[in-house]
Amino acid sequence: EAQVTQNPRYLITVTGKKLTVTCSQNMNHEYMSWYRQDPGLGLRQIYYSMNVEVTDKGDVPEGYKVSRKEKRNFPLILESPSPNQTSLYFCASSSQGVTEAFFGQGTRLTVV
Amino acid sequence: ELKVEQNPLFLSMQEGKNYTIYCNYSTTSDRLYWYRQDPGKSLESLFVLLSNGAVKQEGRLMASLDTKARLSTLHITAAVHDLSATYFCAVDESGTSYGKLTFGQGTILTVHP
Repeated sequence: EAQVTQNPRYLITVTGKKLTVTCSQNMNHEYMSWYRQDPGLGLRQIYYSMNVEVTDKGDVPEGYKVSRKEKRNFPLILESPSPNQTSLYFCASSSQGVTEAFFGQGTRLTVV
Repeated sequence: ELKVEQNPLFLSMQEGKNYTIYCNYSTTSDRLYWYRQDPGKSLESLFVLLSNGAVKQEGRLMASLDTKARLSTLHITAAVHDLSATYFCAVDESGTSYGKLTFGQGTILTVHP
């Protein structure tokens, strides 16, 4: 089954404790992205990647890092999480050409 | 900076009624997407609109795109309770489907009996 898988689904952590949210897709898609969703703001792109080792900042990249060492994986790293990064995070992937983006199930992160 | 604005942000409808959600965007683009999100769930693709004048229909939902007016509409016909969800439009400003999407704020649709 074609899917984008994020882990964990829920995470509560403390300020400053480094964490990684994993994202994996099995569709051989070139493009992958991370978004955060906050009430009233829709989804905002954090980072995106056009292929292995090619990443670029989205609209709200501060406080986040990403890497794309393999085509299928695109982890999101918070080196020193802060409470304003409490949010719902989505990973998405898409293919070159005429396709919509496919989204993971979401990761609800709470930073206390 | 690309801006995507939806209205209304909240829509309370009676079953059987018709209504339209509007999505305006601030830059030239001919790639626009509509997504549905149920509470606590991920985003589900509804429509992909790729050119001026594109119209797509699925069940009680119909989406259209006017790239000259930078406007897309999502029309709901004879609403039913199952359509209650949050609807997002998103614009691909890269024009090349690189996955750099800018989303509207979302429209929370509630359909009442």
